[in-house]
Amino acid sequence: AQKVTQAQTEISVVEKEDVTLDCVYETRDTTYYLFWYKQPPSGELVFLIRRNSFDEQNEISGRYSWNFQKSTSSFNFTITASQVVDSAVYFCALNDYKLSFGAGTTVTVRA
Amino acid sequence: DVKVTQSSRYLVKRTGEKVFLECVQDMDHENMFWYRQDPGLGLRLIYFSYDVKMKEKGDIPEGYSVSREKKERFSLILESASTNQTSMYLCASSHDEAGFENIQYFGAGTRLSVL
Repeated sequence: AQKVTQAQTEISVVEKEDVTLDCVYETRDTTYYLFWYKQPPSGELVFLIRRNSFDEQNEISGRYSWNFQKSTSSFNFTITASQVVDSAVYFCALNDYKLSFGAGTTVTVRA
Repeated sequence: DVKVTQSSRYLVKRTGEKVFLECVQDMDHENMFWYRQDPGLGLRLIYFSYDVKMKEKGDIPEGYSVSREKKERFSLILESASTNQTSMYLCASSHDEAGFENIQYFGAGTRLSVL
């Protein structure tokens, strides 16, 4: 069974629009970490954010924000005022004893 | 900055060849990983290593082996390449932190085509 589900395969927006990426995870453990990674066209995955299972406080970091809801096992990620450089594949990942990735969401930001 | 370097960006091999994919990290990380990335499947773990000469199978180890003779270097070996091993291969490394908070740092990937 898929441990991390990213239901959106592709999202296309116009520059300056907000983009929200959905992530739903599955685990029986009470202690775990959630991550978002970005993979630009160059290929290298880049770490963006992480959140532990005991901290449901949502935060904003620059143009990035995330919404962690344990009750619905969701860890959604929002890019505010998108830019062309945000075009990439975004992966959600869960680490409960090893790192499991979702299938990724391709974001295209058009000028 | 952490740097994970994969020796080749693109590789074309023939069926049955023995293929070596090399990965080197410069941050003295204890942990190293090999993933393959396929469209619609995300990243799947092939093998990982927590120490020199130590290896553990991941989710899809069949058809692959690994070697870690030095801390900074982790090699993925395809003993007899097959067409279904055509894929993007990503190497990663991380510190051995307690808990599950480890951030993995990735190389740029090797796109392997097996003809």
